[in-house]
Amino acid sequence: GAGVSQSPSNKVTEKGKDVELRCDPISGHTALYWYRQSLGQGLEFLIYFQGNSAPDKSGLPSDRFSAERTGGSVSTLTIQRTQQEDSAVYLCASSPRGGGTGGGNEQFFGPGTRLTVL
Amino acid sequence: GEDVEQSLFLSVREGDSSVINCTYTDSSSTYLYWYKQEPGAGLQLLTYIFSNMDMKQDQRLTVLLNKKDKHLSLRIADTQTGDSAIYFCAESKMSRTGGSYIPTFGRGTSLIVHP
Repeated sequence: GAGVSQSPSNKVTEKGKDVELRCDPISGHTALYWYRQSLGQGLEFLIYFQGNSAPDKSGLPSDRFSAERTGGSVSTLTIQRTQQEDSAVYLCASSPRGGGTGGGNEQFFGPGTRLTVL
Repeated sequence: GEDVEQSLFLSVREGDSSVINCTYTDSSSTYLYWYKQEPGAGLQLLTYIFSNMDMKQDQRLTVLLNKKDKHLSLRIADTQTGDSAIYFCAESKMSRTGGSYIPTFGRGTSLIVHP
């Protein structure tokens, strides 16, 4: 398909386990974002990749969270030693260009991965 | 407090106009956005406005921007049941590292349209 895809769509894990969430952005989009959406909350920015530049990790809530983007395309968000408060929907978005001056560019969102930590 | 604030719920009758309000904090934000999220789906851009504009109209949607008060509104004319969704306001805000502008979202307004 032509849109952003994420897998899995749902993930249930036990507290203390590691999880990996995958995002396939739209082909050719240089910018990729991860957000977390908790129940009743807005989107919380996690991390931003732009081309080959170093990622902006300023939104990662703890060192248990990390993300990679291989070959400027697919991205994986890893959460180590999951906690119950990590339960949320994790959304990935891509855009044709990055958040440069003013940041005026449309983000295309995937459907999200719903993570439940028991 | 929140960077971007919106009321959480709005209920309207089908055919009426809906007005969703938003306040933001960063006066340097050059772009402001409205996104729509339908149940079980990702966010979809509805419209955006550049900060040197006061108003933008696109079919049933009207965006008003008061830059002095940092207030943004989205008006939906002739609201339909299919408009029921969560509407997110977002501003482009410099990240904490200062390296890039990141769209920063409010908590979303749930619009409920009654037949």
